[in-house]
Amino acid sequence: NAGVTQTPKFQVLKTGQSMTLQCAQDMNHNSMYWYRQDPGMGLRLIYYSASEGTTDKGEVPNGYNVSRLNKREFSLRLESAAPSQTSVYFCASRNMGDWELFFGEGSRLTVL
Amino acid sequence: KNQVEQSPQSLIILEGKNCTLQCNYTVSPFSNLRWYKQDTGRGPVSLTIMTFSENTKSNGRYTATLDADTKQSSLHITASQLSDSASYICVVSALTGGGNKLTFGTGTQLKVEL
Repeated sequence: NAGVTQTPKFQVLKTGQSMTLQCAQDMNHNSMYWYRQDPGMGLRLIYYSASEGTTDKGEVPNGYNVSRLNKREFSLRLESAAPSQTSVYFCASRNMGDWELFFGEGSRLTVL
Repeated sequence: KNQVEQSPQSLIILEGKNCTLQCNYTVSPFSNLRWYKQDTGRGPVSLTIMTFSENTKSNGRYTATLDADTKQSSLHITASQLSDSASYICVVSALTGGGNKLTFGTGTQLKVEL
């Protein structure tokens, strides 16, 4: 079982460059999420998609955009990367009616 | 503001010993509380969920407790193993009009040594 798959696992960017983090889940979950994890801070919600065709802002959406491509895939885009976006990014999904989140392995992003 | 505080921030114990991790929250209205285990370089994985009516729940060597009156939860690990070395994250869910809203603690970093 693959579960939630994120790519890439590691990425180094220069300030101002753009990139997209990809996420796919094979559990037929309706809801998908993007979090960032920084030292000394809890996981913070960037964007989420409650169901296919919908996306909503979370706690820290500035500087990011998302696309729910289909039920399986939810991508996170950084249009113009900034050093403050250096972080570990986690994609997660859950089934309707159950609030257990299933996380991917994470994508470690460094912005120089 | 909803908050989740975990203590201690880090902990080192010898293999075979027991330990208890704490989680205090000020989330309202309370829906449920989950403990997640996050191995280094991996995503968090759910260990157990506590709802309002539950006081204690066990999952193998992990036992979670919940005191909804004092808004405290604990995770007790019995007979620790090297594989228990990880970050343990407390996540509290608030029931809002738009659905559940999750608040994450910063985690307790546990290291089990020989």
